[in-house]
Amino acid sequence: NAGVTQTPKFQVLKTGQSMTLQCAQDMNHNSMYWYRQDPGMGLRLIYYSASEGTTDKGEVPNGYNVSRLNKREFSLRLESAAPSQTSVYFCASWSGKSNQPQHFGDGTRLSIL
Amino acid sequence: AQSVTQLGSHVSVSEGALVLLRCNYSSSVPPYLFWYVQYPNQGLQLLLKYTSAATLVKGINGFEAEFKKSETSFHLTKPSAHMSDAAEYFCAVSEYSTDKLIFGTGTRLQVFP
Repeated sequence: NAGVTQTPKFQVLKTGQSMTLQCAQDMNHNSMYWYRQDPGMGLRLIYYSASEGTTDKGEVPNGYNVSRLNKREFSLRLESAAPSQTSVYFCASWSGKSNQPQHFGDGTRLSIL
Repeated sequence: AQSVTQLGSHVSVSEGALVLLRCNYSSSVPPYLFWYVQYPNQGLQLLLKYTSAATLVKGINGFEAEFKKSETSFHLTKPSAHMSDAAEYFCAVSEYSTDKLIFGTGTRLQVFP
């Protein structure tokens, strides 16, 4: 029972390099999310996708792009990585029912030098 | 807009002592509320959720939380701390009208022998 799977788990980039973080869920959820986690700031929403074919900006979208490839997969792309994007990135999925929780992946730890 | 406040970014208790982690929310209507736990280098795991049924909610690992509408609070408690409870805890609220979770900034719990 995989749930939400994120790849890679760790990555080190140089400033200016590009990178795509992958996320896949096997729970048939309509909604998927990308968050970043920074010390003392909790989780902040970068982008989300309420359903296949739709994406919307969250609280901190600058410097990122997303693709909802199909119902299962939601990728996050850094076109030109900056040191300020050093963070832990979490993908989550949700059934769409408010009384149900979001399910999270184990995260991608990204360092940009 | 909804918001979540977690008082105390760090809480330290002795093993066997009461754990109390505070969470207050702002909302014009009773929201859905969640507590998540994050162990080192792992993703977020649901501890418990409030979905407008019983105001006292029991979760995993002996944790529970009480929804108090008059205080707009959803504090997390555990009668007796265990070393394995050391982790970061996040309170989150789900809005009725949107499909996004709003997270607090987290509380790191340390348990001393």
